[in-house]
Amino acid sequence: AQRVTQPEKLLSVFKGAPVELKCNYSYSGSPELFWYVQYSRQRLQLLLRHISRESIKGFTADLNKGETSFHLKKPFAQEEDSAMYYCALYNQGGKLIFGQGTELSVKP
Amino acid sequence: KAGVTQTPRYLIKTRGQQVTLSCSPISGHRSVSWYQQTPGQGLQFLFEYFSETQRNKGNFPGRFSGRQFSNSRSEMNVSTLELGDSALYLCASTRTYGNEQFFGPGTRLTVL
Repeated sequence: AQRVTQPEKLLSVFKGAPVELKCNYSYSGSPELFWYVQYSRQRLQLLLRHISRESIKGFTADLNKGETSFHLKKPFAQEEDSAMYYCALYNQGGKLIFGQGTELSVKP
Repeated sequence: KAGVTQTPRYLIKTRGQQVTLSCSPISGHRSVSWYQQTPGQGLQFLFEYFSETQRNKGNFPGRFSGRQFSNSRSEMNVSTLELGDSALYLCASTRTYGNEQFFGPGTRLTVL
């Protein structure tokens, strides 16, 4: 079954520390993966998609098919990075399968 | 371009009533997907419409239905509301090519 797992509900780091939000997936096929972010009182917005291999707001994510992972990383966390982060797997027919989300808290 | 809009933003209903939520996609986007977000279940896919046709449906009872109009605007309807239907309902639109979904602000439905 297709599934996305984000093992950490809450991740708390200090400003300037490295951040890694974990995402593992289960998918029988070639996966298409995304990271979405939801800042307080804002809508869910696309942060990264694996096929573009870009860096947004200092975040990067690499698809590792061998480990079926798509972890989100940032070398130096900022307070404004505090938000809910969702990993999502695209299934056919307009369906995204979301992980349960990880709340990132960056302390000053 | 204006983003995805959803109306109303907040809704309070009682058990047994029905409700209709509306979603206007980004101009030029023809696909609209709907999701239910709850603290317990997270984000769950309801259904997706493309060019007025439902292409995919999630594991929700038949009380949940939707439709799409020729201008790509979409509505979802929930009949015979239950307490467990209280949730944030999100819609997202997608370009014709590509699978990135752009989300609206959601409609917060409370069933009393």
